[in-house]
Amino acid sequence: QSVLTQPPSASGTPGQRVTISCSGSSSNIGSNTVNWYQQLPGTAPKLLIYSNNQRPSGVPDRFSGSKSGTSASLAISGLQSEDEADYYCAAWDDSLNCVFGGGTKLTVL
Amino acid sequence: QITLKESGPTLVKPTQTLTLTCTFSGFSLSTSGVGVGWIRQPPGKALEWLALIYWNDDKRYSPSLKSRLTITKDTSKNQVVLTMTNMDPVDTATYYCAHPDYDFWSGQHYFDYWGQGTLVTVSS
Repeated sequence: QSVLTQPPSASGTPGQRVTISCSGSSSNIGSNTVNWYQQLPGTAPKLLIYSNNQRPSGVPDRFSGSKSGTSASLAISGLQSEDEADYYCAAWDDSLNCVFGGGTKLTVL
Repeated sequence: QITLKESGPTLVKPTQTLTLTCTFSGFSLSTSGVGVGWIRQPPGKALEWLALIYWNDDKRYSPSLKSRLTITKDTSKNQVVLTMTNMDPVDTATYYCAHPDYDFWSGQHYFDYWGQGTLVTVSS
């Protein structure tokens, strides 16, 4: 049972905009920033968004993140087939432990 | 360029102790603010953070696994070692080491570079 709650699956057609939610509590998302990771099949996770809404160099601006209260969201616009992957949210809690979400499998129809 | 690579046994027996080594390049654990973390992922399941060690030997452990984990560093070899005692089949997972970067604006860390991972199977 993961500390952060994500929907197990999401889907969209090419070109569509999809959002993935991540719900936590006052001790993690509520008082700390959220990071998002993309994991393509058979590969290691890759940093997608850090500090709620910052994109590392090389991440397309189709990916965006936001946070409000104890929840966060990842939005993907202009969905592409190569976006089919598992997406994980993560945050630190007030005890300085890292917590992850259960992951969301994104299917591009 | 930062790289990390995990190494260790692919198969361990129940009750044995697992020792994994993360060998990295492109940064030094003698530099202020630098750390290395371990994360694991059982087959088909979610990521789970295990431990983190910083340049000043500050160590953090997952509360649920703290009694079984030990993380150490060898700065001269650019290596971080994770040991996990009393292994069980539920510990079968891909184990990743990762580099935590620091965002001065938010004051938070995030894992910006990951190793390829090493699959450890626990079975008799």
